[in-house]
Amino acid sequence: DTAVSQTPKYLVTQMGNDKSIKCEQNLGHDTMYWYKQDSKKFLKIMFSYNNKELIINETVPNRFSPKSPDKAHLNLHINSLELGDSAVYFCASSQGSRDTGELFFGEGSRLTVL
Amino acid sequence: GQNIDQPTEMTATEGAIVQINCTYQTSGFNGLFWYQQHAGEAPTFLSYNVLDGLEEKGRFSSFLSRSKGYSYLLLKELQMKDSASYLCAVMDSNYQLIWGAGTKLIIKP
Repeated sequence: DTAVSQTPKYLVTQMGNDKSIKCEQNLGHDTMYWYKQDSKKFLKIMFSYNNKELIINETVPNRFSPKSPDKAHLNLHINSLELGDSAVYFCASSQGSRDTGELFFGEGSRLTVL
Repeated sequence: GQNIDQPTEMTATEGAIVQINCTYQTSGFNGLFWYQQHAGEAPTFLSYNVLDGLEEKGRFSSFLSRSKGYSYLLLKELQMKDSASYLCAVMDSNYQLIWGAGTKLIIKP
């Protein structure tokens, strides 16, 4: 049983297209995150949701829109894709937003914009 | 600003010991994490330190000095499978994780 699963694992698309990445966790955690890891390997927080409520929204272009239909799901929709959006996007979850426990990561979704 | 510093790359020999350092400057402190990330895979949790001192977990140990803003990850009896990136992350006063860029560890036979 995969704890945090995200789809698709690989996504290749043209500039200007719109795409979505889905994430689901079966750990019963309250908090979910989207991270972006670029070619320099920095993990940058993009968004965090706690019980479907947005709690972290870093400086991210408004072309990126997260949606959390319930606390087990956090999807990421990207409009008008640009070359600089190419990266690996990781979904993660934790017990709570103020929890000092570990993060559980999904396997990552590698987005390539041509 | 908030900052996490760790070496970009280190090389060590199979069977040896290696120490990966991490220094940090953050707004408040709610603990320091070490994660391991193999190439093309997700980060996985290794350790969490919130009090000063050494935490040992098998071949891996993590040390913290809050007064110095310093931590290290010690890997003993290195195995080829330990080749990976090691990410240091600090949780600040707002419970946000601040990540270092990671240290790529190369193990040679």
